[in-house]
Amino acid sequence: KAGVTQTPRYLIKTRGQQVTLSCSPISGHRSVSWYQQTPGQGLQFLFEYFSETQRNKGNFPGRFSGRQFSNSRSEMNVSTLELGDSALYLCASRKAGTSTDEKLFFGSGTQLSVL
Amino acid sequence: AQSVTQLGSHVSVSEGALVLLRCNYSSSVPPYLFWYVQYPNQGLQLLLKYTSAATLVKGINGFEAEFKKSETSFHLTKPSAHMSDAAEYFCAVSDKGAQKLVFGQGTRLTINP
Repeated sequence: KAGVTQTPRYLIKTRGQQVTLSCSPISGHRSVSWYQQTPGQGLQFLFEYFSETQRNKGNFPGRFSGRQFSNSRSEMNVSTLELGDSALYLCASRKAGTSTDEKLFFGSGTQLSVL
Repeated sequence: AQSVTQLGSHVSVSEGALVLLRCNYSSSVPPYLFWYVQYPNQGLQLLLKYTSAATLVKGINGFEAEFKKSETSFHLTKPSAHMSDAAEYFCAVSDKGAQKLVFGQGTRLTINP
């Protein structure tokens, strides 16, 4: 069973540009979450999507957005990039059933560098 | 609001020694607690989780953690460290199962031969 797949693995952009990151969840998982990891702020929750709808949202500016497709794949977009957006962006998926005894599975991340 | 504090950003132990990584949490509701491990250039791997079924939780790779409500703690332990345990460890809390996790700052574990 394939794990959570994130593409691309590395990305270099310049300030002011926009970027789109992609995440394919584990087969059968309907929820996809995104986290930002930086040395200074640590791991921070960005948002979660379930059935193509944003279910939860963290404290990030509107430049950070996402969407989920009918096959549960998700994309995250960051517009007008700033130097501080340089980070490892992690995607995680879960089944999103009724049980609270669920596990969250993470991908290897996309390392974004903003120059 | 929930929060997690991991005491010690860097812990160093000898191979074969006890590993103890400390985690204290703050939550206004019964929490769900997690420990994740991150190896270099990789994502996070779940070690174990507490969901109120039992206070002593056993995880993978010989790790376990004990939930102590009175101390608001969820410390991670392993009786005997192995070189392969060298990694960064994150404690996380949630009030909704595996949704919207709040992570601690992480503890880097170094194993000395």
